[in-house]
Amino acid sequence: GQQLNQSPQSMFIQEGEDVSMNCTSSSIFNTWLWYKQDPGEGPVLLIALYKAGELTSNGRLTAQFGITRKDSFLNISASIPSDVGIYFCAGQSTSGSRLTFGEGTQLTVNP
Amino acid sequence: SAVISQKPSRDICQRGTSLTIQCQVDSQVTMMFWYRQQPGQSLTLIATANQGSEATYESGFVIDKFPISRPNLTFSTLTVSNMSPEDSSIYLCSVEDPVRGAGYQETQYFGPGTRLLVL
Repeated sequence: GQQLNQSPQSMFIQEGEDVSMNCTSSSIFNTWLWYKQDPGEGPVLLIALYKAGELTSNGRLTAQFGITRKDSFLNISASIPSDVGIYFCAGQSTSGSRLTFGEGTQLTVNP
Repeated sequence: SAVISQKPSRDICQRGTSLTIQCQVDSQVTMMFWYRQQPGQSLTLIATANQGSEATYESGFVIDKFPISRPNLTFSTLTVSNMSPEDSSIYLCSVEDPVRGAGYQETQYFGPGTRLLVL
């Protein structure tokens, strides 16, 4: 089946630093999604990408849909303590189909 | 985006018993999904629940263990049957909903989850 490799598994950074994480897939996806999950909460959608090559920003977050449709990255600029959490990428083949999730990136931001 | 609530938010159950989790959405949606997130793990899809049809289960999940109801376009239930400690997980429902301002593009939004501990 489809698999997503997400890296890094964890990151420990200082407040103010930029962060980058990425996901690669063995198969093509038509949609890439990035979620953040805080402890005790469900995943919250950060950015949705629908076109190969698309670059989308949401405040300090920027994500790109890879040209090959097999990868995506998420950048966080000028990190702040509330950025702490687990970030998940997810790929979707077609609308209404299952999401395939990456293993998550645990982000820790030291003040 | 759709606002999703789940009940209960958490529970501690004895092995051999069953628990029914409810998912309520504030708008009518066609696609609803149930996911499991085991401790420290990512999310795994259990089944897709569409109103008016039988739920479609992913490999490794069966209806006898995880019966699902979808009586209308705003509500669904997932039952975890004959529980064992291995069923201790977070159970999440999600819905596919239009992305505001993005034309006819949809994406999945998640409820807050139900944290289940089986002793």
